[in-house]
Amino acid sequence: GDSVTQMEGPVTLSEEAFLTINCTYTATGYPSLFWYVQYPGEGLQLLLKATKADDKGSNKGFEATYRKETTSFHLEKGSVQVSDSAVYFCALMGGFKTIFGAGTRLFVKA
Amino acid sequence: EAQVTQNPRYLITVTGKKLTVTCSQNMNHEYMSWYRQDPGLGLRQIYYSMNVEVTDKGDVPEGYKVSRKEKRNFPLILESPSPNQTSLYFCASSSQGIGLAGTYNEQFFGPGTRLTVL
Repeated sequence: GDSVTQMEGPVTLSEEAFLTINCTYTATGYPSLFWYVQYPGEGLQLLLKATKADDKGSNKGFEATYRKETTSFHLEKGSVQVSDSAVYFCALMGGFKTIFGAGTRLFVKA
Repeated sequence: EAQVTQNPRYLITVTGKKLTVTCSQNMNHEYMSWYRQDPGLGLRQIYYSMNVEVTDKGDVPEGYKVSRKEKRNFPLILESPSPNQTSLYFCASSSQGIGLAGTYNEQFFGPGTRLTVL
C-alpha cells in the first residue's frame, strides 16, 4: 500500500540556519503531496502542497518540489526562525485516502 | 469564521462505555475524515467520507464507526472503547477539488480531542 517516510527528529538548528526535512513516498498512481505543520497544542495546518510531478509548493519561505523520479518531496527553508519550531508532517493523498509520515519535530534556538 | 469544530476537547472514560465525538464544519466541504495521532506514528486515517451517506475505511477503522447524515457533521462513534483507543483524535474537511489529473485539495483540521480510556 501507499506509504510516506520522513526523516526522524528531533532536528535542532540555530536561527538563520538552512533546513531540510526529507520525505519519500511510495504510491500507485499520481498522488497529491502536502506538508502540514503542527504548533504545540494545535491542530495541523497546511504549509504547502504540490499536485503533479515537478510542481514546486512554497509558503512562508518554505519550499518543496514534487520529484516523481526519486519519489521525494523534501521540505527546505533557507533561514529558519525561532517561530518555525513545530512538528512537520509530510502527507500524500490519492484515491481519497490520506497517508501521513510520522512527523519531524524541529527546534530552532535563538 | 471558517472552521472545523470538535467536541469534546478532552474526555476521560472507562472501558466499554459508548461515546461519540462530534465534528462539524461550516465550509460546505464534501470531504471529511477522522485521524488518530499517536507518538512516533504520525496521523493515521480512521474513516473518511466523500459526501453525505458515502463513507469508507481508512487504515485503522477497527473499533470505530462513523455516519454522515448531513454535509456539515461527521461524528466518530466508539461503541465499546478500549485502552488502546487512548489517543489524540483529529477531524478534517476539504472541498472535493478533484482535478483532471486526480489532484486533491488541502484539508482543514479541527483542534483535536484528547481521549483517555481507562
